[in-house]
Amino acid sequence: AQSVTQPDIHITVSEGASLELRCNYSYGATPYLFWYVQSPGQGLQLLLKYFSGDTLVQGIKGFEAEFKRSQSSFNLRKPSVHWSDAAEYFCAVEGNNDMRFGAGTRLTVKP
Amino acid sequence: GAVVSQHPSRVICKSGTSVKIECRSLDFQATTMFWYRQFPKKSLMLMATSNEGSKATYEQGVEKDKFLINHASLTLSTLTVTSAHPEDSSFYICSARPGGKGNTIYFGEGSWLTVV
Repeated sequence: AQSVTQPDIHITVSEGASLELRCNYSYGATPYLFWYVQSPGQGLQLLLKYFSGDTLVQGIKGFEAEFKRSQSSFNLRKPSVHWSDAAEYFCAVEGNNDMRFGAGTRLTVKP
Repeated sequence: GAVVSQHPSRVICKSGTSVKIECRSLDFQATTMFWYRQFPKKSLMLMATSNEGSKATYEQGVEKDKFLINHASLTLSTLTVTSAHPEDSSFYICSARPGGKGNTIYFGEGSWLTVV
């Protein structure tokens, strides 16, 4: 089965600074990749997804992610972080009949 | 946009009783539904995948007889936690997908279960 690794459990950045959250996947076929954000006690919100085509994907809230097949990575980026971006971020990969999530990265934004 | 509704959003039950959580796709037919469990400050753990009209496919380590999943229609799947114990307390999230891989997956808002 496919799997996802998010190496960073917790990241702290200053407001206005740039952000990169790492995600590595393992999947035998073409991966369908996703980034979700979750605020405490809430459900998931889809930020962006990659199925095929342009490897740089634009999402909501100013986020983007780049698919790099050679590195099996799908890192999430944002040029300038806002305090409201503080949340838990999950990378996910969809298989034929399942969808699996990474462990998540908790983002803290310093004023 | 498409909506997936979970009910109840919060439930408290006594140890030893059973509790049912519903997951409904409100404006599309969900061929496949996924059930996840999330512990506080942890990731979503896939419990099972259910396809309409078929038995659910459970992940290794998930007790089929304890977590009963039914997907009897294209708009409704239910998760029943039988003989609940305090360690079953968790956040349960469902998601639904119209069609096969590549179709958008929509997530419910989750259901908090507390077993006392």
